[in-house]
Amino acid sequence: GAVVSQHPSWVICKSGTSVKIECRSLDFQATTMFWYRQFPKQSLMLMATSNEGSKATYEQGVEKDKFLINHASLTLSTLTVTSAHPEDSSFYICSASLRETGNTIYFGEGSWLTVV
Amino acid sequence: AQSVAQPEDQVNVAEGNPLTVKCTYSVSGNPYLFWYVQYPNRGLQFLLKYITGDNLVKGSYGFEAEFNKSQTSFHLKKPSALVSDSALYFCAVSPRGGSYIPTFGRGTSLIVHP
Repeated sequence: GAVVSQHPSWVICKSGTSVKIECRSLDFQATTMFWYRQFPKQSLMLMATSNEGSKATYEQGVEKDKFLINHASLTLSTLTVTSAHPEDSSFYICSASLRETGNTIYFGEGSWLTVV
Repeated sequence: AQSVAQPEDQVNVAEGNPLTVKCTYSVSGNPYLFWYVQYPNRGLQFLLKYITGDNLVKGSYGFEAEFNKSQTSFHLKKPSALVSDSALYFCAVSPRGGSYIPTFGRGTSLIVHP
């Protein structure tokens, strides 16, 4: 099946710094990539949707200047958390969609961000 | 607007017994339906999907799901549960056209007791 790689798996950063998370579709060209945030024992919260070469579409309540999403190619999307604060600590998951397979979404392994 | 309901936060079942994790949905038109599983501290893994055709869909790890259009349900089932099936399960629905952005249920924690 399709593989989505997410890196890093774990990251700790100091408050006020920025951190970048990469999401790659390894064996397919993703039609669309999604970024989610998940709090402990809760469901997925869609943050933004991005298509290659265009600006990401952010969900209501998600600060686009704080969570910068770049979708440079059909196989790579990045999420940069700028000026991170402890409340940004969370599990971030990316996913990539392949329309040819009935919009099946394939997920990365997720990235744990801890801001200290 | 589309929505997904997973009415049970947690399902408990004894190993070897059949299991069912419920999912109902609301969407305009005919949907794509999915089930995903999440193990602790991991991303989601695709289990199975319904696109068209046979209402009974078979997926990974012995799981299956039945699409019931009249009841707008897509319950996940397995004939004989394993302790290793214990995880968080998410149902998702995606419209066939338009933005096709999927909507996920809130998740159901499956606990299989030895």
